Order: sequence, then structure tokens, then C-alpha cells
Amino acid sequence: DQQVKQNSPSLSVQEGRISILNCDYTNSMFDYFLWYKKYPAEGPTFLISISSIKDKNEDGRFTVFLNKSAKHLSLHIVPSQPGDSAVYFCAASANSGYALNFGKGTSLLVTP
Amino acid sequence: EAGVAQSPRYKIIEKRQSVAFWCNPISGHATLYWYQQILGQGPKLLIQFQNNGVVDDSQLPKDRFSAERLKGVDSTLKIQPAKLEDSAVYLCASSSGPADEAFFGQGTRLTVV
Repeated sequence: DQQVKQNSPSLSVQEGRISILNCDYTNSMFDYFLWYKKYPAEGPTFLISISSIKDKNEDGRFTVFLNKSAKHLSLHIVPSQPGDSAVYFCAASANSGYALNFGKGTSLLVTP
Repeated sequence: EAGVAQSPRYKIIEKRQSVAFWCNPISGHATLYWYQQILGQGPKLLIQFQNNGVVDDSQLPKDRFSAERLKGVDSTLKIQPAKLEDSAVYLCASSSGPADEAFFGQGTRLTVV
């Protein structure tokens, strides 16, 4: 059973525009959420995180929004750059002491 | 700072053979994870170590998979015997604590034929 869902397998955005990647979760015990970015033939790299006590966290061009009532989070990339083209994984953990549950990923393509 | 090291990068074996993967985490990281990523899926946790103790191995197919982390540093993951459905990328990750973000190695791509 997939507890973290990324329903869009792929997304294409023009350079300079906003990219919005979505993620839904089913486990109400999840209290820590992360986004990872993955290039081909490399391991995932940490991008940004948010704890359940916040509803927004910003780091440069990347902002993560958390809507606990909807069990939904999103990653906004503004402005998008061609180097952002990668697979983005949403991940969540419960009780802050356990390993991450990952979604299936969304492949982002930023075109010039 | 050196990252998480994994070897080998690629491995091709026949079904029913055995295989072992090695991971060297970031120095000082107490928590180590092994994930399995099947093509088109997100990484799935196989086992989590805290120092050299197992925290979670609920999704490890224990009839064929085993893992150890001797001395709380390096870790090995073994599959014996391998099945076709074990074809995947095996990712090792480490973190300074279980609540912190994990750093991943490049992974070992296993193909079982």
C-alpha cells in the first residue's frame, strides 16, 4: 500500500516559469516531509524539508507547502531552470525516528 | 566531506546465485539504511540500522536477504538466492540521526537474468 503518492509521473515546464510538484499522503502519523531530487545514475539528493508544525518552508528558489488537513504537500520551483530537470521524490516519516516512505517520483523537464 | 560510498556500481547475476553489496556511510553517521528501488518506483526501505543495531527490518525478505553492520560503520547487504524480481537499484543512505535527512550513495544496479 502506497502511503505517499505522487500522481503525476511527469511534468514539463518552460524555463523561467513556476514548477509545481504535488504529493499526497495517507498516514496521519507522518510528521516530517522531504523532497529529494534524483539525476540519472545518481542517488537521490536532499532538497528541502518541512515538519508538521509548519505550513511553509522556503529555501532560495524552492518552497514547500504543507496542508495537513488535506494530507497534501507541494514543491514550488521559481523560476525553473533547465538544470532542475530531474526526478523529484516526495518522502515522509512518522515520529521523526523512522525511515522515509517515498512516492514514485515525478519527472520534471524544464525546457529552454 | 566524503559521501556515502557503495560498491559495486553494477552487477549482473543469474537467478539462484548469491550477491553482496557493500556500503560505507558518511563518517560519524549513526543511522544507516538500505533501500530497494525498482524501475518506475520510489525507494523502498529494506532495513534501518542505528549504530550496529537493527531498528526496522519489517520489509526485508528474510528468507533470502540479510544485512549486517559490524562495528556500527560499514554495512553489507546479501541476497541468496537471487530471483528475477530482485532486479533493482540498491541504495544505501546514512544520516547523523534517525530524524535527520538522509544522504544517499550512487546505488548498485542489480540485474538478475
